[in-house]
Amino acid sequence: DAGITQSPRYKITETGRQVTLMCHQTWSHSYMFWYRQDLGHGLRLIYYSAAADITDKGEVPDGYVVSRSKTENFPLTLESATRSQTSVYFCASSAVMATDTQYFGPGTRLTVL
Amino acid sequence: GESVGLHLPTLSVQEGDNSIINCAYSNSASDYFIWYKQESGKGPQFIIDIRSNMDKRQGQRVTVLLNKTVKHLSLQIAATQPGDSAVYFCAESAVGNEKLTFGTGTRLTIIP
Repeated sequence: DAGITQSPRYKITETGRQVTLMCHQTWSHSYMFWYRQDLGHGLRLIYYSAAADITDKGEVPDGYVVSRSKTENFPLTLESATRSQTSVYFCASSAVMATDTQYFGPGTRLTVL
Repeated sequence: GESVGLHLPTLSVQEGDNSIINCAYSNSASDYFIWYKQESGKGPQFIIDIRSNMDKRQGQRVTVLLNKTVKHLSLQIAATQPGDSAVYFCAESAVGNEKLTFGTGTRLTIIP
């Protein structure tokens, strides 16, 4: 049972480049989430999705784009990366409701130079 | 592994002793609470949860206590082990809110 996986685990890019972070879950969970984790800020919600083709903004959505064409995948794209987007990104999923227990992936550490 | 919060509250406990980690919340409508553990370089891992119709819930070596009167949640870890070293944070949700709200966390260090 693979659970929830993220790729790549580490990424270094340059300012202005487009970057896509991948998230895949094998549980057929309805909800999926993207968070960023920064020093002093804890986990901040970027975007979430209630089902395929349904997405909504979280606390810090600016500069990010998401899509969910399939239930199991929830990619996060930084259209034009900025240094302020250097962070650790976590994908999570929950079974039925957004407020069910969320299960997290291992994270992607992104550095924007 | 990377550090998730240089300014986190910290708690140092001797191996074998019990640990108590606290969390305060502000929303009186919060009705579901979760404790997560995050080890260095890993994603948060579910430990235990509790709903607002309960005051206490026990798991394996862990107990969560909920005091709704003062909006306080605590995680007790019995007989702490080196593997318990991690950042612990609580999350809560309220009726009508489609998202979990996460606290900033407490770093637990076990002293051998």
